[in-house]
Amino acid sequence: GQSLEQPSEVTAVEGAIVQINCTYQTSGFYGLSWYQQHDGGAPTFLSYNALDGLEETGRFSSFLSRSDSYGYLLLQELQMKDSASYFCAVRGALENRDDKIIFGKGTRLHILP
Amino acid sequence: GAGVSQSPSNKVTEKGKDVELRCDPISGHTALYWYRQRLGQGLEFLIYFQGNSAPDKSGLPSDRFSAERTGESVSTLTIQRTQQEDSAVYLCASSPERVNQPQHFGDGTRLSIL
Repeated sequence: GQSLEQPSEVTAVEGAIVQINCTYQTSGFYGLSWYQQHDGGAPTFLSYNALDGLEETGRFSSFLSRSDSYGYLLLQELQMKDSASYFCAVRGALENRDDKIIFGKGTRLHILP
Repeated sequence: GAGVSQSPSNKVTEKGKDVELRCDPISGHTALYWYRQRLGQGLEFLIYFQGNSAPDKSGLPSDRFSAERTGESVSTLTIQRTQQEDSAVYLCASSPERVNQPQHFGDGTRLSIL
């Protein structure tokens, strides 16, 4: 089967650093993406990792280890506006099928002042 | 257009009625996706289009759900004989091409079945 696992909720303090983990299981793998979604809003793209290592975009970084089927999103210098849900998404392949995109159930990030 | 546009933004209808949801992707985007999101839940993949073709319909929950795309542009998602469990936000996204491209999401259609 195929699945993505990420924590349902994470709480952190304003100004701190938080890491949101994602583990996946797919028959094939083409890349791991992260999306942010504020309440009532549309998901917005944050980052994409196709190869192992760290990708940095401002305060946000994303990491991938293909051998461990694992990735994480790192948010630094947390701001109240970062309170949102964060989804990892994997582009994977099913046997005898074209690849498809699978989203995790999302991690709700709570920021405390 | 500047972004992905979905209509209507809200739809309330009675159980058993048919509904049609519309998505206008970003101009030039060849890939188009439909997702369903129940309250507090993740995104459930429904179907995607590459051009006007739908290579993967595996996410459609039942034969009451269908979708089409014309002119490599507008797409409609139709739900026939709606049931209360169909109540959710239906999100559409588009990307320039299928592989390794971020998806741009619309604001969704909030569907409520009475």
